[in-house]
Amino acid sequence: AQTVTQSQPEMSVQEAETVTLSCTYDTSENNYYLFWYKQPPSRQMILVIRQEAYKQQNATENRFSVNFQKAAKSFSLKISDSQLGDTAMYFCAFMKPRDSWGKLQFGAGTQVVVTP
Amino acid sequence: DGGITQSPKYLFRKEGQNVTLSCEQNLNHDAMYWYRQDPGQGLRLIYYSQIVNDFQKGDIAEGYSVSREKKESFPLTVTSAQKNPTAFYLCASSISFRSQNTEAFFGQGTRLTVV
Repeated sequence: AQTVTQSQPEMSVQEAETVTLSCTYDTSENNYYLFWYKQPPSRQMILVIRQEAYKQQNATENRFSVNFQKAAKSFSLKISDSQLGDTAMYFCAFMKPRDSWGKLQFGAGTQVVVTP
Repeated sequence: DGGITQSPKYLFRKEGQNVTLSCEQNLNHDAMYWYRQDPGQGLRLIYYSQIVNDFQKGDIAEGYSVSREKKESFPLTVTSAQKNPTAFYLCASSISFRSQNTEAFFGQGTRLTVV
């Protein structure tokens, strides 16, 4: 079974600053997918970024980027130039390649608070 | 607009009663999922269905039941056997696993409170 660990329950960052969220996972699979989801106060889950394990290049989406370290089983999310709208719960998630796209193993989440 | 609709947004039930949460999607997705969210535990998979008339248990299926009679609908029943049903429930859907470069889409959730 896969486990996903997010060790930071809450992080605070000032507007325009950078914050990095950590995620580690445990798996015996060689190929898999990793995701970061954002859940704002509306509680709507929004996909932020996706990484395929066989791709060595780290994924980026505008102000969001990941540092994927496959050997270390680490998948951190960096939010640059933080904005007030980034305030949300962030979940790291794992998916096996043979599973369907919604069959995910989630971490416990990290609450990010962006302050003016 | 295409999307996933969960209803109701808030639901209150007395202990010992069964309750059914609705999830409807018009995205033409084959697969649908139910997750439970508790504070400090992230989302945990209850049941999922990859095709009509078929579904599988997730990690915490005990005390829950589902049906998938139509592609668009995947209702979740929380039975009286569920020992701690108060939680936030999220429904999701996705294209089949054979598709590439896609993602799961989530509804806005139902907050169930059992008193």
